[in-house]
Amino acid sequence: KNEVEQSPQNLTAQEGEFITINCSYSVGISALHWLQQHPGGGIVSLFMLSSGKKKHGRLIATINIQEKHSSLHITASHPRDSAVYICASSRGGKGAQKLVFGQGTRLTINP
Amino acid sequence: GAVVSQHPSWVICKSGTSVKIECRSLDFQATTMFWYRQFPKQSLMLMATSNEGSKATYEQGVEKDKFLINHASLTLSTLTVTSAHPEDSSFYICSASWASGRANTGELFFGEGSRLTVL
Repeated sequence: KNEVEQSPQNLTAQEGEFITINCSYSVGISALHWLQQHPGGGIVSLFMLSSGKKKHGRLIATINIQEKHSSLHITASHPRDSAVYICASSRGGKGAQKLVFGQGTRLTINP
Repeated sequence: GAVVSQHPSWVICKSGTSVKIECRSLDFQATTMFWYRQFPKQSLMLMATSNEGSKATYEQGVEKDKFLINHASLTLSTLTVTSAHPEDSSFYICSASWASGRANTGELFFGEGSRLTVL
């Protein structure tokens, strides 16, 4: 079993739908990262969170430390949201620590 | 915002040659950079941690003599794939963490990635 598990692996939805991607991790972490990888390969860091909830535009990320679970939500989804979304855990102090990656969720939003 | 630049974005080379990939932090100092590899349809895998002024730390299974990492300054780390073979064809991407004095936020910034094809 991977240290970081994501679900679903693939998700196709219609424009406007509310999207949820889940991430579970098996060991204690210092932070959980949500990343977005575009078709060309470039990666953008969406969120880094260690507790509670963060919101940025139509994106919301939550984490439950006790349950070792995080979710990424996209409201009013749009075709430009189509990408691979990756969660990654990091451990240790606030210093530049290594990441353990989930398998990624390939999201396709159809117009 | 902080930007990490990676070069080249793609490279094709013959088997047996060496390829150097550069990762630069453009507007911040990065004492630590990370190098990842991603095969098609797979997730990112950490190859090594690049520390400015000291030797890189390699993950298990990554050959340090094949993947040479140099982090000579606070803004530049290089990955050299030596004697490349077709099985080294992959997407290589670096990341750096923003360290501002003592307040290292831990937020990561990624390069654009380098797609290597070895013929």
